[in-house]
Amino acid sequence: GAGVSQSPSNKVTEKGKDVELRCDPISGHTALYWYRQSLGQGLEFLIYFQGNSAPDKSGLPSDRFSAERTGGSVSTLTIQRTQQEDSAVYLCASSLEHNQPQHFGDGTRLSIL
Amino acid sequence: SQQGEEDPQALSIQEGENATMNCSYKTSINNLQWYRQNSGRGLVHLILIRSNEREKHSGRLRVTLDTSKKSSSLLITASRAADTASYFCATDAGRRALTFGSGTRLQVQP
Repeated sequence: GAGVSQSPSNKVTEKGKDVELRCDPISGHTALYWYRQSLGQGLEFLIYFQGNSAPDKSGLPSDRFSAERTGGSVSTLTIQRTQQEDSAVYLCASSLEHNQPQHFGDGTRLSIL
Repeated sequence: SQQGEEDPQALSIQEGENATMNCSYKTSINNLQWYRQNSGRGLVHLILIRSNEREKHSGRLRVTLDTSKKSSSLLITASRAADTASYFCATDAGRRALTFGSGTRLQVQP
């Protein structure tokens, strides 16, 4: 179906490596969100993009984290010099407009060894 | 700190029983949303209730909102084994993205 697609679904990497996570939102959705979810926990907001406005980066935990959204569609979340505490599921969501019902991908499960 | 906090953290019931989950929040909101998450999957939107609404229904779901108490409840009637999942409330306070609570893990025993 034409839902939110995230890749890879699983990523295992060594501490200190850089990783890139990809999100393909639903076509036509202007808002795109990244969240982080630790095992058995709720969602931690990371960053969101709304149309052509500057992204809200207020949830990024450190300067090792960055994200971009090209052409108002696909987004990549980059984590540089990964640490073990970065291990989590990274979820992407999109919505027609900001804070309207969000459609989620199934996430990328990131494991840092 | 989390804007929304669900209660209870975990709930186990028999098929056919009703399940009630509560959510409390701290600031004024535009709307409150409930989501469901099956194990290993993303969240699925269930229902949105606006700040000027008090109750909303969708199939077997009933949501209430009490803005004076800053609380909401989600009732699932006649539960089924397939309702087993984690349920999250999320608040829209307008400033940033939705703020999610830590969730209620519901187990429905067949």
